Amino acid sequence: DAGVTQSPTHLIKTRGQQVTLRCSPKSGHDTVSWYQQALGQGPQFIFQYYEEEERQRGNFPDRFSGHQFPNYSSELNVNALLLGDSALYLCASSRMNTEAFFGQGTRLTVV
Amino acid sequence: AQSVTQLDSQVPVFEEAPVELRCNYSSSVSVYLFWYVQYPNQGLQLLLKYLSGSTLVKGINGFEAEFNKSQTSFHLRKPSVHISDTAEYFCAVSSSSGTYKYIFGTGTRLKVLA
Repeated sequence: DAGVTQSPTHLIKTRGQQVTLRCSPKSGHDTVSWYQQALGQGPQFIFQYYEEEERQRGNFPDRFSGHQFPNYSSELNVNALLLGDSALYLCASSRMNTEAFFGQGTRLTVV
Repeated sequence: AQSVTQLDSQVPVFEEAPVELRCNYSSSVSVYLFWYVQYPNQGLQLLLKYLSGSTLVKGINGFEAEFNKSQTSFHLRKPSVHISDTAEYFCAVSSSSGTYKYIFGTGTRLKVLA
């Protein structure tokens, strides 16, 4: 079992650009959540996808959007990047009544 | 809404000494509680979880935690730490509805000294 896999592991973008991060959930999991972890902080919930729909959303602007595919994999898109979007982005997968399993994260640096 | 407070941002401790990392939570609904560990440049690894039942929960690597509903606490303990336990530890809460939206604390950096 490969667990939760995220790609890419690192990337550097310029202010104003757009970025797409990808996540493959653990086998058997149907729910994907995304978190933003700024340096020295705890992860902050961005949103959660289930059955290809956004089920819950945290306090993030509309520049942050996502998608879930029929195979349960997911993408996180961020438009009009700001310097403050620099963070580790974590994907977590779960299914009803199981805890979440986290991927290794994507380190995004906005310059 | 839920919130989590980790009272100590950093905890230095000597190798083979005991350690306690404190976590308090606030919630208007029933909750599940978790402790995760994060090593540098890594994701989060689950140490232990409280869903229901016994309030003393045992996890991996010799860690345990006790759920105290009256004090809304879920402190993490280890009787004897190793250098390899040096990492960031996060307490998290989610509602018991099963959707697993986690609210995390700000983390406690455990530094084990030789």
